[in-house]
Amino acid sequence: GIQVEQSPPDLILQEGANSTLRCNFSDSVNNLQWFHQNPWGQLINLFYIPSGTKQNGRLSATTVATERYSLLYISSSQTTDSGVYFCAVDDYKLSFGAGTTVTVRA
Amino acid sequence: NAGVTQTPKFQVLKTGQSMTLQCAQDMNHNSMYWYRQDPGMGLRLIYYSASEGTTDKGEVPNGYNVSRLNKREFSLRLESAAPSQTSVYFCASLRGANVLTFGAGSRLTVL
Repeated sequence: GIQVEQSPPDLILQEGANSTLRCNFSDSVNNLQWFHQNPWGQLINLFYIPSGTKQNGRLSATTVATERYSLLYISSSQTTDSGVYFCAVDDYKLSFGAGTTVTVRA
Repeated sequence: NAGVTQTPKFQVLKTGQSMTLQCAQDMNHNSMYWYRQDPGMGLRLIYYSASEGTTDKGEVPNGYNVSRLNKREFSLRLESAAPSQTSVYFCASLRGANVLTFGAGSRLTVL
């Protein structure tokens, strides 16, 4: 199956800072999604982004499918951004990376 | 619109006991999934169903069985629970190659 690697594994931010999370994948994909898991365990879809760039408020994502990576940008981070960020790839057997744990300190 | 509903939310079992995790979605999605999440390991796919009447193994299927009862429901059964199956289980559904929607999760402890 497709291998998914996320970096960094952990990220500590001061409130208001910007950050970039990376997702590398080992093969071409038709589906790539970013998720946020909040401290209560709820998984929320952030972006469906098999290619191109999307923005949603302070979050944006870019996928360069030909180079097999995706980036998630968090701008002006807030404490509510804390949690684990996952990327998942593939069509029907979505494979997840191990995640990036983000801690935003006030 | 409830989305994806999982039951139960919490369960404690003794080694060797059996149980079924239930999942239902009301979004008319074709594909449904069961994942398990263990600390530091992300989500690993147990089984999935691309459409009603079909099921396929994922990354970690051993010790589990599934049933796609109809388009709405996809259940996960542990026939003889083991401590290694202590985990948080998530059900999810998908429409085409699009957004995956998760249930709230079921926390299972096997003693």
